[in-house]
Amino acid sequence: AQSVAQPEDQVNVAEGNPLTVKCTYSVSGNPYLFWYVQYPNRGLQFLLKYITGDNLVKGSYGFEAEFNKSQTSFHLKKPSALVSDSALYFCAVRPGGYNKLIFGAGTRLAVHP
Amino acid sequence: DAGVTQSPTHLIKTRGQQVTLRCSPKSGHDTVSWYQQALGQGPQFIFQYYEEEERQRGNFPDRFSGHQFPNYSSELNVNALLLGDSALYLCASTSDLSTDTQYFGPGTRLTVL
Repeated sequence: AQSVAQPEDQVNVAEGNPLTVKCTYSVSGNPYLFWYVQYPNRGLQFLLKYITGDNLVKGSYGFEAEFNKSQTSFHLKKPSALVSDSALYFCAVRPGGYNKLIFGAGTRLAVHP
Repeated sequence: DAGVTQSPTHLIKTRGQQVTLRCSPKSGHDTVSWYQQALGQGPQFIFQYYEEEERQRGNFPDRFSGHQFPNYSSELNVNALLLGDSALYLCASTSDLSTDTQYFGPGTRLTVL
């Protein structure tokens, strides 16, 4: 079965420290990988995507993600967290040959001053 | 450049009723997808419309139906509402390029009493 796993319900980090939000996937073919962020009572905002090429992808608001094919992972990272980064983060995969996105359950990021 | 818009913002219905949600895609986009996000979960794919036809469908019953108009806007209809249909309904639009990103609207919060 095709799936996305975000193993941490919540990640806590101090402002100014680096952050990592983990994502692993299980899909057939060559997937496209995405990260979205959701603020309270809002829709999803696109952060970044991996299609092909360089395994390190840079996105909006200083976020980046590293694609690791052997570990089937696509972890989201940021060198220095801001309190305003506190939100719900979703990893999503678009399996090859499909148009739909499969989402993980989400990870709540809390950045403390 | 207008993003994806959805209406209404909130909706309260009772069991057995029918509901229609509306979505206007981002300018330049011709493909619309609908997702259901239950509380505390990631979005689940309902279906996708392209050229006024349902192109792909997720694991949702026939009570969920849709339509796409010549101007690319879309409607999601849900018949015979159940309590379990209470959720945030998200619309996403994209162009028909295989590598394109899906951009999400703010969602419609449906509460079924």
